[in-house]
Amino acid sequence: GQQVMQIPQYQHVQEGEDFTTYCNSSTTLSNIQWYKQRPGGHPVFLIQLVKSGEVKKQKRLTFQFGEAKKNSSLHITATQTTDVGTYFCAGAGSDSWGKLQFGAGTQVVVTP
Amino acid sequence: NAGVTQTPKFQVLKTGQSMTLQCAQDMNHEYMSWYRQDPGMGLRLIHYSVGAGITDQGEVPNGYNVSRSTTEDFPLRLLSAAPSQTSVYFCASSPTRPNEEQFFGPGTRLTVL
Repeated sequence: GQQVMQIPQYQHVQEGEDFTTYCNSSTTLSNIQWYKQRPGGHPVFLIQLVKSGEVKKQKRLTFQFGEAKKNSSLHITATQTTDVGTYFCAGAGSDSWGKLQFGAGTQVVVTP
Repeated sequence: NAGVTQTPKFQVLKTGQSMTLQCAQDMNHEYMSWYRQDPGMGLRLIHYSVGAGITDQGEVPNGYNVSRSTTEDFPLRLLSAAPSQTSVYFCASSPTRPNEEQFFGPGTRLTVL
């Protein structure tokens, strides 16, 4: 079945540094979504990518969808303490309507 | 709009007890789903519904039942609680399908002793 994997599982970042988290699917996805969950909170939608090779930016966050629609990345520049949390990618395969699969998440810790 | 609401926020059960986790949304969303979140495992889909009267199994459905008698409500029933069901449970909804923005409720933290 479809598997969505995220790396790294943990990311310790010095404030001001950049980092990237990666998401890989075993099957082609119809689209990819990214969510952020603050400690003790619930997942909150960040963005959705639909087209092959698509790149979207939200201030210091850059999201990319791979050409084969099987992988995605989230790059954060000049990390701030407000970036603390767990970032999840989620996707549904083109043959699995109804079953959105989440990656295990990347937990981000920011050191001032 | 209250969005997606879940009750209770916290619950402690003994092995073998049954209970219902409540989920409601006031956004007239057709698609609703239940996830459980365990450390290091992300969010795993338990059951989902594409509209009133229609439900289907997700990745980890065993030990859970759902029904969808109205558009607004999507309760999750634990038939006979087991320690392996200790988890944080999230309900989510979206307008029509899973590959749209999912709106999550605040979650229910369940402990089974």
